[in-house]
Amino acid sequence: GNSVTQMEGPVTLSEEAFLTINCTYTATGYPSLFWYVQYPGEGLQLLLKATKADDKGSNKGFEATYRKETTSFHLEKGSVQVSDSAVYFCALSDAGGTSYGKLTFGQGTILTVHP
Amino acid sequence: DARVTQTPRDKVTEMGQEVTMRCQPILGHNTVFWYRQTMMQGLELLAYFRNRAPLDDSGMPKDRFSAEMPDATLATLKIQPSEPRDSAVYFCASGTNSNQPQHFGDGTRLSIL
Repeated sequence: GNSVTQMEGPVTLSEEAFLTINCTYTATGYPSLFWYVQYPGEGLQLLLKATKADDKGSNKGFEATYRKETTSFHLEKGSVQVSDSAVYFCALSDAGGTSYGKLTFGQGTILTVHP
Repeated sequence: DARVTQTPRDKVTEMGQEVTMRCQPILGHNTVFWYRQTMMQGLELLAYFRNRAPLDDSGMPKDRFSAEMPDATLATLKIQPSEPRDSAVYFCASGTNSNQPQHFGDGTRLSIL
């Protein structure tokens, strides 16, 4: 079955530091890949997505590239802010016709950014 | 912006009581998902619906949980009887197909005493 593995957290950084959160996946076919972010007390929000190999998703300074050869979708940001402190989830969606967008999530990575 | 709406936002009740959680999906979204989030287990998919028909509820304890979609604008998740181990945040999400993201509500924070 499908699975998503994220780097172990929590991750603690100083403001303006470079961020990488690793994500690798196992899936059949060609899944769509997503990064979601969850702020305290809120639901998950889509951060970015990529639907085919070599696509780069980007939003709010965050980027991730769909790498089929390494089955990875690592999240990066060049300069983090305190407001980026949140939990980040990597997820994949089956490309199969009967899954209708069912997501497989990683375990989440807690990011804390200090001033 | 269109949003998924969940009610109640918070619920505290005693063990053995019935709990009903409601979700209004985004208009036009025909797939609805119920998740449970805990510190120990993370995010778990409980059940999901497509065009109001249940597709998969294998993640749900069948003896006490039930999920329904009485109409296209309302999904419900019921627990009867509730137990302390059901304490968690329950999220509803809606979507359209596998290439489009799911949109999540803000969750129902459930505490069973």
